[in-house]
Amino acid sequence: EAQVTQNPRYLITVTGKKLTVTCSQNMNHEYMSWYRQDPGLGLRQIYYSMNVEVTDKGDVPEGYKVSRKEKRNFPLILESPSPNQTSLYFCASSLLGGGHGYTFGSGTRLTVV
Amino acid sequence: AQSVTQLGSHVSVSEGALVLLRCNYSSSVPPYLFWYVQYPNQGLQLLLKYTTGATLVKGINGFEAEFKKSETSFHLTKPSAHMSDAAEYFCAVSEDNAGNNRKLIWGLGTSLAVNP
Repeated sequence: EAQVTQNPRYLITVTGKKLTVTCSQNMNHEYMSWYRQDPGLGLRQIYYSMNVEVTDKGDVPEGYKVSRKEKRNFPLILESPSPNQTSLYFCASSLLGGGHGYTFGSGTRLTVV
Repeated sequence: AQSVTQLGSHVSVSEGALVLLRCNYSSSVPPYLFWYVQYPNQGLQLLLKYTTGATLVKGINGFEAEFKKSETSFHLTKPSAHMSDAAEYFCAVSEDNAGNNRKLIWGLGTSLAVNP
């Protein structure tokens, strides 16, 4: 089954404790992206990657890191999480860019206390 | 800059009634337009998209949308609502950056409630 798999689904952590949210797709998509979803603010892009070893900032990249060492994986790293990073996070992939239609993961609900 | 406006953050309909979710966009170039649906505790799923060609686009679950360039609109409709249609719906328009990025600009979403 074609899918984007994110882990974990739920995560509660403390301020400053480094964490990684994993994302993997099995569709051989070139393009991958991370979004956060917050009430009243909709979906905001954090980072995206157009190919292996090519990443770029989205609209809200501060406090996040990403890497794209393999085509299928695109982990999101929070080096020092803060409470304002409490949010619902989605990984998405697309054959080329966002204009080709995304496949989304099921989401990771992160709470930073 | 491109923008997307979804009119009505909450829409409530009766089961069997027409569903109409409104989306207006601003774009200086021909847009790609999308509707996504998000069911509770799930990720977003592509309902339908318009790129070129026929302006009436049919999607999954009986939904369709019509691209009206003169009105800069891409409203989503379904003739008869079902209880399972209760979800959050997002309209998005692509922005043509360099290469194939075509970044998506998202509306804030419309929550659809279906009453028995």
